[in-house]
Amino acid sequence: EAQVTQNPRYLITVTGKKLTVTCSQNMNHEYMSWYRQDPGLGLRQIYYSMNVEVTDKGDVPEGYKVSRKEKRNFPLILESPSPNQTSLYFCASTNRDSLGKLFFGSGTQLSVL
Amino acid sequence: DQQVKQNSPSLSVQEGRISILNCDYTNSMFDYFLWYKKYPAEGPTFLISISSIKDKNEDGRFTVFLNKSAKHLSLHIVPSQPGDSAVYFCAASGYTGNQFYFGTGTSLTVIP
Repeated sequence: EAQVTQNPRYLITVTGKKLTVTCSQNMNHEYMSWYRQDPGLGLRQIYYSMNVEVTDKGDVPEGYKVSRKEKRNFPLILESPSPNQTSLYFCASTNRDSLGKLFFGSGTQLSVL
Repeated sequence: DQQVKQNSPSLSVQEGRISILNCDYTNSMFDYFLWYKKYPAEGPTFLISISSIKDKNEDGRFTVFLNKSAKHLSLHIVPSQPGDSAVYFCAASGYTGNQFYFGTGTSLTVIP
């Protein structure tokens, strides 16, 4: 089954404790990206990657890191999480032929205390 | 600054009637527009899209209209069904297709 898999689904952590949210897709998509969803703000793009070893900042990259060492994986790293990063996070992927039809993961609800 | 806006946070419609969801954008460089549907505890799923060279695109019960001069698009669902109850996000991208800008979403409730 074609899918984007995020882990974990829920995460509670404390300020400053480094964490990684994993994202993997099995559709051989070149493009992957991360979004956060906050009430009243919709979905905002954090980082995106056009292909392996190519990453770029989205609208709200501060406090986040990403890497794209393999085509299928695109982890989101919070080196020193803060409470304002409490949010619902989505990973998405697509290929160039799909004209932006993103496939989303099920989301990761992160709470930073 | 929000480049894609959905000014109605919620909408209730009777089953069988038309649902109209609206979206406005500010960036005239946007080239491609999409609608996504999101159920609770799931990720958004693609619904329908439209290129800036068109003013209408239809897919079954779903039709998207684009008015470039007004920088406005709308999603029509006819007839509305209870299973359409979800949050709908409007999104836009430029010709490069690298960055996507989403609206804040409209929660649609279809009343049986």
